[in-house]
Amino acid sequence: GQNIDQPTEMTATEGAIVQINCTYQTSGFNGLFWYQQHAGEAPTFLSYNVLDGLEEKGRFSSFLSRSKGYSYLLLKELQMKDSASYLCATSNTGGFKTIFGAGTRLFVKA
Amino acid sequence: KAGVTQTPRYLIKTRGQQVTLSCSPISGHRSVSWYQQTPGQGLQFLFEYFSETQRNKGNFPGRFSGRQFSNSRSEMNVSTLELGDSALYLCASSSQGQTNTEAFFGQGTRLTVV
Repeated sequence: GQNIDQPTEMTATEGAIVQINCTYQTSGFNGLFWYQQHAGEAPTFLSYNVLDGLEEKGRFSSFLSRSKGYSYLLLKELQMKDSASYLCATSNTGGFKTIFGAGTRLFVKA
Repeated sequence: KAGVTQTPRYLIKTRGQQVTLSCSPISGHRSVSWYQQTPGQGLQFLFEYFSETQRNKGNFPGRFSGRQFSNSRSEMNVSTLELGDSALYLCASSSQGQTNTEAFFGQGTRLTVV
């Protein structure tokens, strides 16, 4: 089966850096996604990691360690608009499905 | 390029009724996945269709069903509605349905069962 754990809520200050962790257990691992979802809106794609290491994309970076079943999303220079839920999701080979964690609600305060 | 379109956006139904939700994927996308989103559970996978074939199904009762048409549009049906079916139903499309590709989500249909 597949299981994903991530913190329920986090709070950070505007301009700061925040790291959102995700641990997973899955068979036939075929990559890990991060999505952002603002309240009342559809999730939007942020990143995809299939190999170990750090992928950087502007203010957002995502890290993967397959041996540890661990990923994190790093958000730098936080802005108020970054207040949203961040969803960690895994895909598996041949399963044709992406499984999502419950999401981490990030509150950015001034 | 138009995004993923879901209709209706909001729906109120009574227990015991049935409901059909529609999803039009991005033009050219052949894979459509459906998810149920509730505050406590997050996104729960319902099923995935590719070229009119259901390739995977989540752990939902048989009251939840779906189909995909030749133009890739998809519908999901919930029969004998229960209060617990109240949720946001999201569909997502991707080009080939490979599990390593980005999915594009619609705005969802918010179903309320009373």
